[in-house]
Amino acid sequence: EVQLVESGGGLVQPGRSLRLSCTASGFTFGDYAMTWVRQAPGKGLEWVGFIRSKAYGGTTEYAASVKGRFTISRDDSKSIAYLQMNSLKTEDTAMYYCSRVLTVVTPGASDYWGQGTLVTVSS
Amino acid sequence: AIQLTQSPSSLSASVGDRVTITCRASQGISSALAWYQQKPGKAPKLLIYDASSLESGVPSRFSGSGSGTDFTLTISSLQPEDFATYYCQQTYTFGQGTKLEIK
Repeated sequence: EVQLVESGGGLVQPGRSLRLSCTASGFTFGDYAMTWVRQAPGKGLEWVGFIRSKAYGGTTEYAASVKGRFTISRDDSKSIAYLQMNSLKTEDTAMYYCSRVLTVVTPGASDYWGQGTLVTVSS
Repeated sequence: AIQLTQSPSSLSASVGDRVTITCRASQGISSALAWYQQKPGKAPKLLIYDASSLESGVPSRFSGSGSGTDFTLTISSLQPEDFATYYCQQTYTFGQGTKLEIK
């Protein structure tokens, strides 16, 4: 059974950093691209970023709202994707979801999602 | 950047109704469009990918169509468990969502 479990969320002050983890099981993690999506309280879904599999360079893409502050990485040996969030702003407050992507080059549809981890940025 | 506009933003319907939700892209995106269902406090669930391909395990009352800039999600006969918020997605962008409520 495919499972994705996010962790690492919590309350953090503006300007500080936080690293989220997405631990995968039930599939060959290294074969898939992964995406991070967030949802502010009461709002819609916002695409955050994407990491390709190593077979496609392991390269990343980011939304303009987080580019230069957030970094996605992966450890295929541990089946974990990470979202390193620096210089956090109050507007980064959201539930953060990781998901497995069906496509390999561009961030297309996601067929499996984690339950999400809540990040609250507040002083 | 491509923008996706869903209509309507909210919709009231009854069990058994046929419902259509529209997603319009600001420029042509071929058939690279997905539809998701999200219930309160839950992660999104993939319903349709590549505009019209039904995800495994999703009931056949859900269908998708369209290409280019105009896409639709149709629920042929609403069931009680279908009342939720629906989103379209094209790579880097999600639509703003359509909340489907019980009439």
